[in-house]
Amino acid sequence: EAGVTQFPSHSVIEKGQTVTLRCDPISGHDNLYWYRRVMGKEIKFLLHFVKESKQDESGMPNNRFLAERTGGTYSTLKVQPAELEDSGVYFCASSQDYGGNEQYFGPGTRLTVT
Amino acid sequence: SQKIEQNSEALNIQEGKTATLTCNYTNYSPAYLQWYRQDPGRGPVFLLLIRENEKEKRKERLKVTFDTTLKQSLFHITASQPADSATYLCALDMSGGSYIPTFGRGTSLIVHP
Repeated sequence: EAGVTQFPSHSVIEKGQTVTLRCDPISGHDNLYWYRRVMGKEIKFLLHFVKESKQDESGMPNNRFLAERTGGTYSTLKVQPAELEDSGVYFCASSQDYGGNEQYFGPGTRLTVT
Repeated sequence: SQKIEQNSEALNIQEGKTATLTCNYTNYSPAYLQWYRQDPGRGPVFLLLIRENEKEKRKERLKVTFDTTLKQSLFHITASQPADSATYLCALDMSGGSYIPTFGRGTSLIVHP
């Protein structure tokens, strides 16, 4: 069974540009989560989808970030326009059930904004 | 404010010994606590979950304790091996039951052969 995949693995963009990150969860997992780790800090929650619906987006930093999960399969996270402080590693995770159960993480996308 | 503390200094131990990592938290009573392993360049890998009404949980060479009075979890790896070297993260539900984990910064474990 394939795990959670993320694309690209690394992205370098200039301040003001747009970047779109993609996450493919494990097949059949209704729950999809986005997290971010800024250098030197802990992994922080961004948002949670249940199928195609946003269940909780309380961690989204501001309106420059837009997440979608059309059709309830893969998800995209767009940053527009990117700022220097958006640099970090963006992780996606998926789970079959909700309620504190095991989340399977992808390898992350390292975003560098210069 | 809510806080999760893990030792920022790396833990160095000899192969075969038991590694013990600590996770302390403040100002909340989480419904559960999780431990993850993270290797460089990879995402966290779930290891164990322990709920607030459980004192201890085991899985193979791993053991987790959860003391809600001390607000502390201990993570033990017995008979440690160099392959156990990684960063270990604890994560708690600190969001009022929404089951979204809040992560600590992690502790690096280095097992020397």
